[in-house]
Amino acid sequence: DAEITQSPRHKITETGRQVTLACHQTWNHNNMFWYRQDLGHGLRLIHYSYGVQDTNKGEVSDGYSVSRSNTEDLPLTLESAASSQTSVYFCASSESGGMGNSPLHFGNGTRLTVT
Amino acid sequence: KQEVTQIPAALSVPEGENLVLNCSFTDSAIYNLQWFRQDPGKGLTSLLLIQSSQREQTSGRLNASLDKSSGRSTLYIAASQPGDSATYLCAGGGYQKVTFGIGTKLQVIP
Repeated sequence: DAEITQSPRHKITETGRQVTLACHQTWNHNNMFWYRQDLGHGLRLIHYSYGVQDTNKGEVSDGYSVSRSNTEDLPLTLESAASSQTSVYFCASSESGGMGNSPLHFGNGTRLTVT
Repeated sequence: KQEVTQIPAALSVPEGENLVLNCSFTDSAIYNLQWFRQDPGKGLTSLLLIQSSQREQTSGRLNASLDKSSGRSTLYIAASQPGDSATYLCAGGGYQKVTFGIGTKLQVIP
């Protein structure tokens, strides 16, 4: 079955360090997304990509970057981790088309703690 | 700006009860409305997707309806079971953005 795999599942890092969260999908979807989930907030979009070499900023993109070199992977990098970036991060994918046109499929998340 | 609200934030029901979860949105120009289930420590699992041209979708004991004119969607769960205990989220899909509600935490008591 197709799936989205995120790694690591848990990560503890120190303030100021660079951190990369991996996302790999076998759906062969063009659209990939990174969200963060915090208590009291709905999922918030960090970055998204509609295909290889395409990346776009979401509503909470400051301090994060992504790159898309192939269809399967969209790694999320925290350039200099801050305590405010302690959160649970979810990767998602969907078929081609506008962001809201097709079902979203999610990975199991990465819980990141910045100390 | 689309806002999605889910009420109540938490719900506890005895096993076997039929229940309705509510989702309201402010912008009727949505492409679809999607319902998800989230178990503790897990990602979101898609339950039902209602396209803007549809009124409802059904899967097993689940039925979701969409009323764009009133800005509401409901998720109906029939004959609830303890295994239905989870957080249920709705998300309104626009062309360039999907907006999530915070969710309703459901507990089904045996």
